[in-house]
Amino acid sequence: AQSVTQLDSQVPVFEEAPVELRCNYSSSVSVYLFWYVQYPNQGLQLLLKYLSGSTLVKGINGFEAEFNKSQTSFHLRKPSVHISDTAEYFCAVISSDSSYKLIFGSGTRLLVRP
Amino acid sequence: DSGVTQTPKHLITATGQRVTLRCSPRSGDLSVYWYQQSLDQGLQFLIQYYNGEERAKGNILERFSAQQFPDLHSELNLSSLELGDSALYFCASSTGGTSGAPYEQYFGPGTRLTVT
Repeated sequence: AQSVTQLDSQVPVFEEAPVELRCNYSSSVSVYLFWYVQYPNQGLQLLLKYLSGSTLVKGINGFEAEFNKSQTSFHLRKPSVHISDTAEYFCAVISSDSSYKLIFGSGTRLLVRP
Repeated sequence: DSGVTQTPKHLITATGQRVTLRCSPRSGDLSVYWYQQSLDQGLQFLIQYYNGEERAKGNILERFSAQQFPDLHSELNLSSLELGDSALYFCASSTGGTSGAPYEQYFGPGTRLTVT
């Protein structure tokens, strides 16, 4: 069965510092990978996705992620974070059946401090 | 704004009761997904409908049911509610695979259910 592991439950970082949120997936089939962000008391917003092609994917709000097939990883990065980036970040993979349902990791809370 | 709407935003009810959560997908999207977000289980897929028909089931309890209507809005019915059903329930929609980007799901703001 497919699964997604987010290794850090919380990542504290100072404003303007770089950040990396880690995500590993397990799948024996082609994967489609996503990062979603959830701001406090809000729904999930798509940050970026990897479907095929270039392994470096750029998303909204200055975030990017790199798909690494050999390491089965899809880490999210931002070179300089803002206070407003404080949120919960979820890595997800599309299931390999025909439903296209999302399988989520447990989430990483990014806490940006001034 | 994702274009997906959910009502109500908050729902407080007692154990044993029944509630209905409503979702309207983005214009043109045929597929609707329901997810549950709780502290202990995280984000879990419940059920998917595509153009009125059930397509996939996940970790959905027998006390829960859903349907998608001809106008493509969907309802999630939760009955015999227990304290553990307290959670945030999200609806998401996508094209469903017939056109556009089938893998992109757009989420509504969620319904927060509190069972007391």
